[in-house]
Amino acid sequence: GENVEQHPSTLSVQEGDSAVIKCTYSDSASNYFPWYKQELGKRPQLIIDIRSNVGEKKDQRIAVTLNKTAKHFSLHITETQPEDSAVYFCAASQSGGSNYKLTFGKGTLLTVNP
Amino acid sequence: ETGVTQSPTHLIKTRGQQVTLRCSSQSGHNTVSWYQQALGQGPQFIFQYYREEENGRGNFPPRFSGLQFPNYSSELNVNALELDDSALYLCASRGTGTGDSGNTIYFGEGSWLTVV
Repeated sequence: GENVEQHPSTLSVQEGDSAVIKCTYSDSASNYFPWYKQELGKRPQLIIDIRSNVGEKKDQRIAVTLNKTAKHFSLHITETQPEDSAVYFCAASQSGGSNYKLTFGKGTLLTVNP
Repeated sequence: ETGVTQSPTHLIKTRGQQVTLRCSSQSGHNTVSWYQQALGQGPQFIFQYYREEENGRGNFPPRFSGLQFPNYSSELNVNALELDDSALYLCASRGTGTGDSGNTIYFGEGSWLTVV
Protein backbone atom coordinates (compact mmCIF):
# COMPACT_ATOMS: atom_id res chain seq x y z
CA GLY A 1 0.00 0.00 0.00
CA GLU A 2 0.89 3.67 -0.06
CA ASN A 3 3.47 5.07 2.35
CA VAL A 4 3.91 8.80 2.93
CA GLU A 5 6.99 10.23 4.62
CA GLN A 6 6.95 13.83 5.89
CA HIS A 7 9.82 16.06 6.96
CA PRO A 8 10.66 17.83 9.14
CA SER A 9 8.65 16.75 12.16
CA THR A 10 9.09 20.18 13.75
CA LEU A 11 9.85 23.53 12.16
CA SER A 12 10.38 26.87 13.87
CA VAL A 13 10.59 30.09 11.87
CA GLN A 14 10.53 33.80 12.53
CA GLU A 15 7.47 35.77 11.52
CA GLY A 16 7.83 36.88 7.92
CA ASP A 17 10.16 34.04 6.93
CA SER A 18 9.20 31.21 4.59
CA ALA A 19 8.47 27.64 5.66
CA VAL A 20 8.84 24.52 3.53
CA ILE A 21 7.52 21.07 4.38
CA LYS A 22 8.37 18.07 2.20
CA CYS A 23 6.66 14.75 1.61
CA THR A 24 7.48 11.67 -0.40
CA TYR A 25 5.11 8.92 -1.46
CA SER A 26 5.67 5.38 -2.61
CA ASP A 27 2.76 4.48 -4.90
CA SER A 28 3.13 5.87 -8.41
CA ALA A 29 -0.63 5.39 -8.89
CA SER A 30 -1.39 8.15 -6.36
CA ASN A 31 -2.80 11.17 -8.15
CA TYR A 32 -4.22 13.49 -5.49
CA PHE A 33 -2.16 15.26 -2.82
CA PRO A 34 -3.93 17.45 -0.25
CA TRP A 35 -2.40 19.38 2.62
CA TYR A 36 -4.25 19.82 5.89
CA LYS A 37 -3.69 22.25 8.75
CA GLN A 38 -4.71 21.08 12.21
CA GLU A 39 -4.83 23.41 15.18
CA LEU A 40 -4.76 21.99 18.69
CA GLY A 41 -7.96 20.11 19.49
CA LYS A 42 -9.53 20.76 16.09
CA ARG A 43 -10.19 18.84 12.90
CA PRO A 44 -7.81 18.82 9.94
CA GLN A 45 -8.66 21.65 7.55
CA LEU A 46 -7.84 21.43 3.88
CA ILE A 47 -5.58 24.34 2.91
CA ILE A 48 -4.49 23.39 -0.58
CA ASP A 49 -4.37 20.36 -2.84
CA ILE A 50 -2.77 19.36 -6.10
CA ARG A 51 -3.48 16.73 -8.69
CA SER A 52 -0.93 14.78 -10.67
CA ASN A 53 -1.71 16.62 -13.91
CA VAL A 54 -0.12 19.86 -12.63
CA GLY A 55 3.27 20.64 -11.16
CA GLU A 56 2.48 23.67 -9.01
CA LYS A 57 -0.48 25.42 -7.47
CA LYS A 58 -0.63 28.69 -5.53
CA ASP A 59 -3.19 30.26 -3.25
CA GLN A 60 -2.05 33.59 -1.83
CA ARG A 61 0.81 32.82 0.60
CA ILE A 62 0.57 29.07 0.14
CA ALA A 63 1.94 27.00 -2.72
CA VAL A 64 2.38 23.32 -3.39
CA THR A 65 4.77 21.72 -5.86
CA LEU A 66 4.68 18.17 -7.17
CA ASN A 67 7.43 16.12 -8.78
CA LYS A 68 5.82 12.93 -10.05
CA THR A 69 9.07 11.43 -11.30
CA ALA A 70 10.72 11.72 -7.90
CA LYS A 71 7.42 11.05 -6.10
CA HIS A 72 7.65 14.03 -3.80
CA PHE A 73 5.59 17.12 -3.11
CA SER A 74 6.16 20.16 -0.95
CA LEU A 75 4.22 22.87 0.85
CA HIS A 76 5.59 26.39 0.78
CA ILE A 77 4.29 29.12 3.08
CA THR A 78 5.64 32.61 2.50
CA GLU A 79 5.49 35.63 4.82
CA THR A 80 4.59 33.41 7.76
CA GLN A 81 2.38 34.78 10.52
CA PRO A 82 1.87 33.57 14.10
CA GLU A 83 -1.58 32.25 13.14
CA ASP A 84 0.13 29.85 10.72
CA SER A 85 1.37 27.95 13.79
CA ALA A 86 -0.23 24.49 13.71
CA VAL A 87 0.43 20.89 12.71
CA TYR A 88 0.49 20.37 8.95
CA PHE A 89 -0.23 17.01 7.34
CA CYS A 90 0.40 15.93 3.80
CA ALA A 91 -1.58 13.08 2.29
CA ALA A 92 -1.73 11.02 -0.88
CA SER A 93 -4.61 9.27 -2.56
CA GLN A 94 -5.55 7.36 -5.67
CA SER A 95 -8.73 9.30 -6.18
CA GLY A 96 -11.17 8.14 -8.78
CA GLY A 97 -14.16 5.88 -9.09
CA SER A 98 -15.38 5.31 -5.57
CA ASN A 99 -11.98 5.13 -3.84
CA TYR A 100 -10.86 8.14 -1.82
CA LYS A 101 -8.62 6.66 0.86
CA LEU A 102 -6.09 9.18 2.14
CA THR A 103 -2.71 8.07 3.46
CA PHE A 104 -1.24 10.73 5.74
CA GLY A 105 2.25 11.68 6.73
CA LYS A 106 3.08 11.93 10.42
CA GLY A 107 2.75 15.70 10.49
CA THR A 108 4.94 18.77 10.93
CA LEU A 109 4.56 21.06 13.93
CA LEU A 110 5.15 24.57 12.59
CA THR A 111 5.85 27.31 15.10
CA VAL A 112 5.99 30.90 13.88
CA ASN A 113 7.71 33.13 16.41
CA PRO A 114 6.61 36.78 16.56
CA GLU B 1 -18.08 24.93 7.25
CA THR B 2 -17.57 21.48 5.77
CA GLY B 3 -21.13 20.20 6.03
CA VAL B 4 -19.92 17.20 8.00
CA THR B 5 -21.15 16.94 11.57
CA GLN B 6 -20.21 14.36 14.17
CA SER B 7 -21.55 13.31 17.55
CA PRO B 8 -20.78 13.03 20.33
CA THR B 9 -17.84 15.42 20.53
CA HIS B 10 -16.35 13.81 23.62
CA LEU B 11 -17.01 10.59 25.47
CA ILE B 12 -15.41 8.32 28.02
CA LYS B 13 -15.84 4.56 27.96
CA THR B 14 -14.54 1.67 30.00
CA ARG B 15 -12.34 -1.05 28.54
CA GLY B 16 -14.47 -3.85 27.11
CA GLN B 17 -17.47 -1.65 26.40
CA GLN B 18 -18.91 -0.82 22.99
CA VAL B 19 -19.24 2.61 21.40
CA THR B 20 -21.16 4.07 18.48
CA LEU B 21 -20.03 7.31 16.84
CA ARG B 22 -22.22 9.15 14.35
CA CYS B 23 -21.63 11.31 11.32
CA SER B 24 -23.94 13.32 9.10
CA SER B 25 -22.88 14.49 5.65
CA GLN B 26 -24.36 16.85 3.11
CA SER B 27 -26.95 15.60 0.69
CA GLY B 28 -25.30 13.91 -2.26
CA HIS B 29 -22.07 13.04 -0.44
CA ASN B 30 -22.28 9.34 -1.14
CA THR B 31 -18.73 8.48 -0.06
CA VAL B 32 -17.89 8.58 3.64
CA SER B 33 -14.80 7.36 5.37
CA TRP B 34 -13.64 7.11 8.96
CA TYR B 35 -10.19 7.82 10.35
CA GLN B 36 -8.57 7.28 13.73
CA GLN B 37 -6.10 9.91 14.91
CA ALA B 38 -4.08 9.00 17.98
CA LEU B 39 -2.40 11.80 19.89
CA GLY B 40 0.60 13.15 17.98
CA GLN B 41 -0.08 11.05 14.90
CA GLY B 42 -1.62 11.55 11.49
CA PRO B 43 -5.10 10.21 10.77
CA GLN B 44 -5.22 6.49 9.95
CA PHE B 45 -7.82 5.18 7.48
CA ILE B 46 -10.30 2.78 9.10
CA PHE B 47 -12.77 2.14 6.28
CA GLN B 48 -14.84 3.75 3.57
CA TYR B 49 -18.46 3.41 2.55
CA TYR B 50 -19.89 4.12 -0.88
CA ARG B 51 -23.62 3.92 -1.46
CA GLU B 52 -24.12 2.07 1.84
CA GLU B 53 -21.51 -0.62 1.20
CA GLU B 54 -18.01 -0.92 2.60
CA ASN B 55 -15.57 -0.60 -0.30
CA GLY B 56 -12.21 -0.20 1.40
CA ARG B 57 -10.69 -1.02 4.75
CA GLY B 58 -7.48 -0.13 6.51
CA ASN B 59 -5.48 -2.20 8.97
CA PHE B 60 -8.13 -2.34 11.68
CA PRO B 61 -9.62 -5.47 13.31
CA PRO B 62 -13.21 -6.62 12.70
CA ARG B 63 -14.36 -5.14 16.01
CA PHE B 64 -14.33 -1.84 14.10
CA SER B 65 -17.46 -1.84 11.96
CA GLY B 66 -19.64 0.70 10.25
CA LEU B 67 -22.88 1.51 8.55
CA GLN B 68 -23.95 4.10 6.01
CA PHE B 69 -27.59 5.07 5.64
CA PRO B 70 -29.59 6.39 2.66
CA ASN B 71 -29.87 9.81 4.32
CA TYR B 72 -26.05 10.30 4.07
CA SER B 73 -25.50 9.61 7.76
CA SER B 74 -23.13 6.94 8.97
CA GLU B 75 -21.94 5.18 12.10
CA LEU B 76 -18.69 3.80 13.40
CA ASN B 77 -19.05 1.01 15.94
CA VAL B 78 -16.20 -0.28 18.05
CA ASN B 79 -16.68 -3.39 20.19
CA ALA B 80 -14.58 -4.67 23.08
CA LEU B 81 -12.86 -1.32 23.59
CA GLU B 82 -9.17 -1.33 24.40
CA LEU B 83 -7.09 1.42 25.99
CA ASP B 84 -5.30 1.97 22.67
CA ASP B 85 -8.61 2.87 21.05
CA SER B 86 -8.40 6.23 22.79
CA ALA B 87 -8.16 8.72 19.93
CA LEU B 88 -9.91 11.34 17.84
CA TYR B 89 -12.26 9.67 15.37
CA LEU B 90 -12.82 11.65 12.22
CA CYS B 91 -15.54 11.25 9.66
CA ALA B 92 -14.69 12.44 6.15
CA SER B 93 -17.02 13.10 3.28
CA ARG B 94 -16.24 13.62 -0.38
CA GLY B 95 -17.51 16.73 -2.07
CA THR B 96 -19.91 16.45 -4.95
CA GLY B 97 -19.58 17.97 -8.36
CA THR B 98 -17.22 17.51 -11.22
CA GLY B 99 -13.59 18.41 -11.60
CA ASP B 100 -11.54 19.47 -8.62
CA SER B 101 -14.43 20.07 -6.23
CA GLY B 102 -15.67 16.53 -6.75
CA ASN B 103 -12.55 15.01 -5.23
CA THR B 104 -12.09 17.22 -2.19
CA ILE B 105 -12.40 15.42 1.12
CA TYR B 106 -13.74 17.31 4.10
CA PHE B 107 -13.47 16.28 7.74
CA GLY B 108 -15.97 16.67 10.51
CA GLU B 109 -14.97 18.09 13.90
CA GLY B 110 -14.33 14.62 15.26
CA SER B 111 -15.29 12.60 18.31
CA TRP B 112 -12.77 12.37 21.12
CA LEU B 113 -12.92 8.90 22.66
CA THR B 114 -11.16 8.12 25.92
CA VAL B 115 -11.05 4.51 27.08
CA VAL B 116 -10.24 3.99 30.75
